[in-house]
Amino acid sequence: QVQLVESGGGVVQPEGSLRLSCAASGLTFITYAMHWVRQAPGKGLEWVAFIRFDGTNKYYEDSVKGRFTISRDNSKNTLYLQMNSLRTEDTAIYYCARDNYGLDYWGQGTLVTVSS
Amino acid sequence: EIVLTQSPATLSLSPGERATLSCRASQSVSNSLAWYQQKPGQAPRLLISSASNRATDIPARFSGSGSGTDFTLTISSLEPEDFAVYYCQQGSNWPWTFGQGTKVETK
Repeated sequence: QVQLVESGGGVVQPEGSLRLSCAASGLTFITYAMHWVRQAPGKGLEWVAFIRFDGTNKYYEDSVKGRFTISRDNSKNTLYLQMNSLRTEDTAIYYCARDNYGLDYWGQGTLVTVSS
Repeated sequence: EIVLTQSPATLSLSPGERATLSCRASQSVSNSLAWYQQKPGQAPRLLISSASNRATDIPARFSGSGSGTDFTLTISSLEPEDFAVYYCQQGSNWPWTFGQGTKVETK
């Protein structure tokens, strides 16, 4: 069965950095585009970033452009999100999700808290 | 960026009733629209893709319709497990965007 497991969340100060990981299993990872989606506490869903199956195309939500970088290592079946210059408004649960005519599999999420 | 507006914000219904949720896009997204269900403490679950295609293992009581700018998610007869928050999402233009959600609550 398809499993996506995020890790790397935690508490970080404003202007700090974190790298999130999403370990995929039960799927041919290299054939799927992947996304990061976040959800601030008590709020709705916000799309964050996309990466094509081969890593050649990437897109970002405007507020994270220049600060976040999505990447993947297909040899390790792992998706990443490098987050720099973090702001308090980046506090959220971060989900990775598989792109398959919609986001059909999601991880359980990892909580990122940006606070001094 | 394409803005998705969902209505109503909250829908108060009883089990067995029909639920009709609306999603309106600020410009055409063709049929590149998906619907998700989210329950407290859980990740979202894909219900509908390409405006009207039910995802794997989604019950037939869930249906989607629409194209262009106006879309509808219908739950024909609410089951107790259907009380949740529902989001629409467009994949036509970057950046992808989600609607703000409709909460279906027990009346």
